[in-house]
Amino acid sequence: QSVLTQPPSVSGAPGQRVTISCTGSSSNIGAGYDVHWYQQLPGTAPKHLIYGNTNRPSGVPDRFSGSKSGTSASLAITGLQAEDEADYYCQSYDSSLSVVVFGGGTKLTVL
Amino acid sequence: QVQLVESGGGVVQPGRSLRLSCAASGFTFSSYGMHWVRQAPGKGLEWVAVIWYDGSNKYYADSVKGRFTISRDNSKNTLYLQMNSLRAEDTAVYYCARDLGRFEYGDSRFDYWGQGTLVTVSS
Repeated sequence: QSVLTQPPSVSGAPGQRVTISCTGSSSNIGAGYDVHWYQQLPGTAPKHLIYGNTNRPSGVPDRFSGSKSGTSASLAITGLQAEDEADYYCQSYDSSLSVVVFGGGTKLTVL
Repeated sequence: QVQLVESGGGVVQPGRSLRLSCAASGFTFSSYGMHWVRQAPGKGLEWVAVIWYDGSNKYYADSVKGRFTISRDNSKNTLYLQMNSLRAEDTAVYYCARDLGRFEYGDSRFDYWGQGTLVTVSS
């Protein structure tokens, strides 16, 4: 069981908008620790997608956006494209465990 | 450009040891904290360990504490993971990753990852 909870899968048609949730607790997201997101295309290493809850590294399209509220965070992808089909992971820090924590990952399928 | 290249993976019997390496280039290695993150086949990402930029502090996941040791040689721009008493559940792709934040402040975030090296623990 992951400390951060994500839905196992989400799907959407090309052009649509999807969101992926990441639910934590008072010792991680709710304690104010930032949430970061990674995209992992099949057979490749994870790629930095969103950092500090809402910020995009250079080169990441503005179709990707992040938000955070309370003990949860979300990744939104608008204008879905076939190349967005990948696994997405949220990541934060847990102060009670003193470790970096990841969500279990969400597989995005573009229909 | 920033590059992280892992090596040292392979097939090893339960109870044996293995040492992974991660060769860094394209940045000032001695200025960054570094992590190991693993991914079991078909599973999600699991944080393994972190080492401070100067090697002065190290932290581990409970699942590897006492068995794995993270280290670095800043003169060689190389990160290591010594894995002892390996178990079947340690089977995974092991990634090294650069920390753009600071673990001690709880804001670790990974901006560059290696391609990973597969460790298979099997008799």
